[in-house]
Amino acid sequence: IAGITQAPTSQILAAGRRMTLRCTQDMRHNAMYWYRQDLGLGLRLIHYSNTAGTTGKGEVPDGYSVSRANTDDFPLTLASAVPSQTSVYFCASSERASGGNEQFFGPGTRLTVL
Amino acid sequence: GQNIDQPTEMTATEGAIVQINCTYQTSGFNGLFWYQQHAGEAPTFLSYNVLDGLEEKGRFSSFLSRSKGYSYLLLKELQMKDSASYLCAVLDNDYKLSFGAGTTVTVRA
Repeated sequence: IAGITQAPTSQILAAGRRMTLRCTQDMRHNAMYWYRQDLGLGLRLIHYSNTAGTTGKGEVPDGYSVSRANTDDFPLTLASAVPSQTSVYFCASSERASGGNEQFFGPGTRLTVL
Repeated sequence: GQNIDQPTEMTATEGAIVQINCTYQTSGFNGLFWYQQHAGEAPTFLSYNVLDGLEEKGRFSSFLSRSKGYSYLLLKELQMKDSASYLCAVLDNDYKLSFGAGTTVTVRA
């Protein structure tokens, strides 16, 4: 693989179910991010990780959790999905969490919670 | 908090020039990014400005004025493939990106 991948591409989920969105990068980037994108609101940061083993909360972290066991993987878990979590989710990575380092985005996961 | 404003939509003719403005009020500043996002796709990097002035990259240029909290993205010689959303994003003191809602540009023949 080259770049950053996400799985699944799309998912329809019943409310109350647990769901993990997967994200993998092969660029050996230190920093990784999860965003959600909703119409009219733009991209909003959910959680981030500046380096393997560390994570932090973004603007809209409630209802989501992440882990960063290694450099390549950064899964996002919805413990008990609710309809307001219907969104397009983008994973991104950058070489470092510092100025000038562009973020590379995965193709996104379209999640619908019914 | 972060406040990043950009117009919702713009329309222009093929071959023309369009300027997308972005104003921001954020907790700290470590640079401003512009991303392009085609419908149904991921955002892709266009430009980064951290110092005042104009950065030119082919048909695209980006300008920054830190004192005014203002940036613009200039798209010249518009092509149909430039129809997309353009996202303004500010890197804050903690090196986190805050995005504007995006400007949808439609290029007409």
